[in-house]
This record gives sequence, structure tokens and C-alpha cells, in this order.
Amino acid sequence: SAVISQKPSRDICQRGTSLTIQCQVDSQVTMMFWYRQQPGQSLTLIATANQGSEATYESGFVIDKFPISRPNLTFSTLTVSNMSPEDSSIYLCSAEGQGLNEQYFGPGTRLTVT
Amino acid sequence: QKEVEQNSGPLSVPEGAIASLNCTYSDRGSQSFFWYRQYSGKSPELIMSIYSNGDKEDGRFTAQLNKASQYVSLLIRDSQPSDSATYLCAVNSGSARQLTFGSGTQLTVLP
Repeated sequence: SAVISQKPSRDICQRGTSLTIQCQVDSQVTMMFWYRQQPGQSLTLIATANQGSEATYESGFVIDKFPISRPNLTFSTLTVSNMSPEDSSIYLCSAEGQGLNEQYFGPGTRLTVT
Repeated sequence: QKEVEQNSGPLSVPEGAIASLNCTYSDRGSQSFFWYRQYSGKSPELIMSIYSNGDKEDGRFTAQLNKASQYVSLLIRDSQPSDSATYLCAVNSGSARQLTFGSGTQLTVLP
């Protein structure tokens, strides 16, 4: 399975600012994914990030709010822009594994917006 | 809207018992089915994947898939307190590689 790291692990940010979350995979992968998990809830897919193409966003998520970069096959970033308290959540990145449609998750970034 | 439904629980079983976790899905085109375990404050950990009808065993875990009934389950034999966690069912969406997650079932194994 892929080993995935994320930075920062947690942050407290002020309303109106932006935070960029980094995700690093220890092997080359075609597909990476970004999720949000709000307290006590399940995972919601924000977008799929393929290297060399624009990220594909799910309904309810837009590029202006959650711009994503995917500069190479081992790295991706998610920016949470113009934050409000409603953006307080855990943000998780995942990468595809060897098995069909398998995904492995990073440790997550716990974001609190005040 | 493709959906994955799980019993929200919480589910409590005594140590040594069999824990049974259930999941149904709406997309008949789904091909891949996964169980993730998530400890409190941690990220999801993949514990089982299943692609064909029938049973798949891995240690104390058995995944069961019935595509005709659109049903997938996870059995945990000889449950241990360390199995106490939230178990998430995830299903791919047809030909797409994205996963849709259920709401999770919180399992508590009582010593």
C-alpha cells in the first residue's frame, strides 16, 4: 500500500484567510483524491486530481474555493480559500493503490476556522 | 444520486463474539467494494476489498458480497476490544474510480 503524508496535521486559521494542504505519496500514482470529513460524519469527495489535467470537482465544490494542484505523480495540494467557520473540518487526501479502485489515505489535516 | 447505506449503530458485541456489519448500495454498475476501519481521531484504514460475489476471508475478517441484492457485509470473528472503531463501507461509482462512502457503523467490543 502507498504511504501518504500530509502537512500540516492541524491548523487554526482566521476567517477570510487561505490554507494550503500538502499531500505526498511515496510512489508514483495516477489518481489522487481530496475528501472532507466533518465531525461525526462520513467522507465527502471534494475532487479528483490527475497529474497533467485539471482537477474534477464534485457537486457543491468549486475551483475558486478549493483550488488543487497536481504538479507530478507523487504530490498534490488543496487550498481552502477565503475560509469561514463552516470550513472547519478534517481534510484527507488519498491515492490509488494496486488493487482496482483501492484508495489509501493520508493522516488528515484538522482545520479549525475562527 | 448514488448511495451507500449502513446501519449507523452503535453496535456493541462482547469480546470473542462475531460482529456483523452491513451495507447496501444503489448503483448496480458498481464493481469494487471496500471496508475501511477508522479509529477515533485517525484516518480510514483499508481492511478488506471484494470484487466478486461470495465470501473473502482475511484472518478474522470475512467480507461477503451479493451483487444481485446489492449488499455487502463484513464479519469480524473473535472480536477484540481493539476492533472498537467506526467501519466505513465504500463502493466505486460504476466505471468511475471515485468511491462513495457510507455513513459508517460504530462498533464497540466490550471486554
